[in-house]
Amino acid sequence: QSVLTQPPSVSAAPGQKVTISCSGSSSNIGNNYVSWYQQLPGTAPKLLIYDNNKRPSGIPDRFSGSKSGTSATLGITGLQTGDEADYYCGTWDSSLSANYVFGTGTKVTVL
Amino acid sequence: QVQLQESGPGLVKPSETLSLTCAVSGYSISSGYYWGWIRQPPGKGLEWIGSIYHSGSTYYNPSLKSRVTISVDTSKNQFSLKLSSVTAADTAVYYCARHVAGTIFFDYWGQGTLVTVSS
Repeated sequence: QSVLTQPPSVSAAPGQKVTISCSGSSSNIGNNYVSWYQQLPGTAPKLLIYDNNKRPSGIPDRFSGSKSGTSATLGITGLQTGDEADYYCGTWDSSLSANYVFGTGTKVTVL
Repeated sequence: QVQLQESGPGLVKPSETLSLTCAVSGYSISSGYYWGWIRQPPGKGLEWIGSIYHSGSTYYNPSLKSRVTISVDTSKNQFSLKLSSVTAADTAVYYCARHVAGTIFFDYWGQGTLVTVSS
């Protein structure tokens, strides 16, 4: 199982805000940058956030990232039906078994 | 625009070797970045398999290291994955992706290819 824990699911009505947490430890989130990925049904993951809080070109500012200690958070404001997807956090884990790790994934449902 | 495209057999027998290739267009592998493989079993999460630099330097997921080989062919602008002694647990969609060294984030992904391990 993954060393990064996310809630299995979150939901909200269109126009509302959701936040997704990603909980880790000092060997991963605590000392490394976090990125976030959106995976729409049947498609490849897409980079949403990198270096904790930066957005690639073309990603709307409705998506935001933050990090505090050993946890990171993805926020989505102005929720749209097109945001319904799985979301994953990811970071390097510097433990003895050095490894890039993804979170367990969170399904966002737009009610 | 950077594009990645996976190719290879969709069905592999147990105990055999899974082989996939990722063709890169719109960017020269020799120009930099790392190139990696990630997999996703049906209905499950993402797992990083390993990555390679254009120089051939590699690093692998420790849990798969004994069975994984990633290589690069700069003349063809592609890189490859070999996973030996496969079992049903290796059935997954396999993605190739580009990532930055240092902070490590995957900015370009292939569409993925489903590999099923079955006799």
